[in-house]
Amino acid sequence: SQTIHQWPATLVQPVGSPLSLECTVEGTSNPNLYWYRQAAGRGLQLLFYSVGIGQISSEVPQNLSASRPQDRQFILSSKKLLLSDSGFYLCAWRLYERAGGTQYFGPGTRLLVL
Amino acid sequence: SQKIEQNSEALNIQEGKTATLTCNYTNYSPAYLQWYRQDPGRGPVFLLLIRENEKEKRKERLKVTFDTTLKQSLFHITASQPADSATYLCALDISYNFNKFYFGSGTKLNVKP
Repeated sequence: SQTIHQWPATLVQPVGSPLSLECTVEGTSNPNLYWYRQAAGRGLQLLFYSVGIGQISSEVPQNLSASRPQDRQFILSSKKLLLSDSGFYLCAWRLYERAGGTQYFGPGTRLLVL
Repeated sequence: SQKIEQNSEALNIQEGKTATLTCNYTNYSPAYLQWYRQDPGRGPVFLLLIRENEKEKRKERLKVTFDTTLKQSLFHITASQPADSATYLCALDISYNFNKFYFGSGTKLNVKP
C-alpha cells in the first residue's frame, strides 16, 4: 500500500532563516505531487505541483520554492522565511494522468515563524 | 482562476439530523468534484467523488449532488453522529488541466449529542 511521509512534524523558525520541508511517497511510481499551505482556520492554498522529476509548477508567487530531485521526493524550501509563512504545510500525491484521482495527504508540518 | 465557496460559518446540528453542506464554484467547469473530511491537525481524507455527468452519488450515510447549471454541489450526512464533527472540504479537478486541484475553505460541522 501507499504511504506518504512528511518531516519535521513541527518547526519553529526565526524570521529570515532558511526552510526545508521534505515529503516522500512509498508504494507508487510517477505520482503527481502537491504542496499546500493552510493558515489557521482557513482552506488549503495550492503552492506547487509536480508531474515528474524536475517539473515544478508554481501557483502563487512568493518566497517559497519547490524541487523534485527524485520520483517520490518533493521538497519545499525558502531562503528567508517571513512571518506570513507560518501555517500548516501539507504534501499530497495522486496518480499521474488520472483525472478525478483521489489526493492522499501526508501528516503535515506545522511551521511557526517568529 | 477558479473560485470555490463554502459556508465559512460552522454548522451546528443535533445528533440524528441530516447535515447539508454547500459548495459553489465559479469560472471553469470541473470534470470532477470531490469531498474531503479534515480533523484538527490532520491532513484531509477523501470521502466521495462525483463526475460532471452524474447528478447524485451515495456512500453509506453520505450523499453528494452535483448541479453544473447552478455550479453547486451539496453534501449530505444523514443520521449524523458526534463522530461526524469535522471540517468538510470540497475540491475541484479542472477539466482542462486535471493536474491542478483546488480546495474550498471548508465548513466546520458540529454534531451535538
